[in-house]
Amino acid sequence: DAGVTQSPTHLIKTRGQQVTLRCSPKSGHDTVSWYQQALGQGPQFIFQYYEEEERQRGNFPDRFSGHQFPNYSSELNVNALLLGDSALYLCASSLGPGQVGSPLHFGNGTRLTVT
Amino acid sequence: GESVGLHLPTLSVQEGDNSIINCAYSNSASDYFIWYKQESGKGPQFIIDIRSNMDKRQGQRVTVLLNKTVKHLSLQIAATQPGDSAVYFCAERKTSGSRLTFGEGTQLTVNP
Repeated sequence: DAGVTQSPTHLIKTRGQQVTLRCSPKSGHDTVSWYQQALGQGPQFIFQYYEEEERQRGNFPDRFSGHQFPNYSSELNVNALLLGDSALYLCASSLGPGQVGSPLHFGNGTRLTVT
Repeated sequence: GESVGLHLPTLSVQEGDNSIINCAYSNSASDYFIWYKQESGKGPQFIIDIRSNMDKRQGQRVTVLLNKTVKHLSLQIAATQPGDSAVYFCAERKTSGSRLTFGEGTQLTVNP
């Protein structure tokens, strides 16, 4: 039973560029959430996708956008990269968008470095 | 704003001892709490969860205690092993949504 998989594992970009990160949810899960984790900090919620729509959004600018595909996989896009966007980007999946008792399962993340 | 936080940034224990990691939360609307373990270079790994209608829940070598009166959550690890060395995060979630709010984490180091 495959867990949450993310690609790529590492990425280096230059300020102003755009990046796309990819996520495949755990088998049987239909909801994908994205988190940003700065070094030494806890993950911060970016947004959540369910039924191919953004359902919830955290306090992140419009430069951060996403998409969910019919097979439940998801992409996170970040435009006009800033140095402060350097972080570990985590994808998490769950069954349903708000079911208590369905814990989020995280992937190992994509380490984005902006130079 | 409301957030979940941890009391101690680091905890060092001897192998075989019991570990207790604490967490304070301030959001009274949260009724679901989760503990995650994050090893270096990996994503958070689910350990155990608890709903607010419970005071205690046990798993394999782990116990979570919830004290709603003082808004305190703790994770107890029995017979701590070197493989338990990691950063531990508590997180809270409201029933009206599913986003998790994480604390800053506690780095647990197990000494042989």
